[in-house]
Amino acid sequence: ETGVTQTPRHLVMGMTNKKSLKCEQHLGHNAMYWYKQSAKKPLELMFVYSLEERVENNSVPSRFSPECPNSSHLFLHLHTLQPEDSALYLCASSQDFRTAKNIQYFGAGTRLSVL
Amino acid sequence: GQQLNQSPQSMFIQEGEDVSMNCTSSSIFNTWLWYKQDPGEGPVLLIALYKAGELTSNGRLTAQFGITRKDSFLNISASIPSDVGIYFCAGSNDYKLSFGAGTTVTVRA
Repeated sequence: ETGVTQTPRHLVMGMTNKKSLKCEQHLGHNAMYWYKQSAKKPLELMFVYSLEERVENNSVPSRFSPECPNSSHLFLHLHTLQPEDSALYLCASSQDFRTAKNIQYFGAGTRLSVL
Repeated sequence: GQQLNQSPQSMFIQEGEDVSMNCTSSSIFNTWLWYKQDPGEGPVLLIALYKAGELTSNGRLTAQFGITRKDSFLNISASIPSDVGIYFCAGSNDYKLSFGAGTTVTVRA
């Protein structure tokens, strides 16, 4: 149990589907993150939220839509994705993104396949 | 984020061996982190480094924050089968982490 729980663990969707990824952190942290992990590539930061406010949108296409209703929950809404969006999507949280020692703790990820 | 150059890309280990990997950057960082990712799981933090020159251990793992603040290395001593996985370095100056592409460690047959 890492303290960051992601559901579902696996998701297969067609290009016209709408689905959502969910992340919940049980660590009392104030910041949450979405990353995309593709094979043999570094993790790519997508979105950052601090106290439910979005502080980073890293040039992510609008077919990815984040939502942070409170500091413990983070969603990633998916709509009309492309096959190249297939990847492992990781959620992370940290105590306070403004501190110098901003350690991020990751969930197990959602393995997404777009057909 | 900045690009980190992590090497080697992959390595084979034999049980009992010491292994080493490193990470370099063209930019300086205030924090260096090392994570390990097992198949089907997310990255797990191994060691965090906050000061140039710092040498920190976590069991059989030892990591150092380079003096120039542009590099870090990770050593694994007396490797065991469960050391297999992907090891990532990450550097940061604020809330953003810049990751290396990972070093894949597998067991030599």
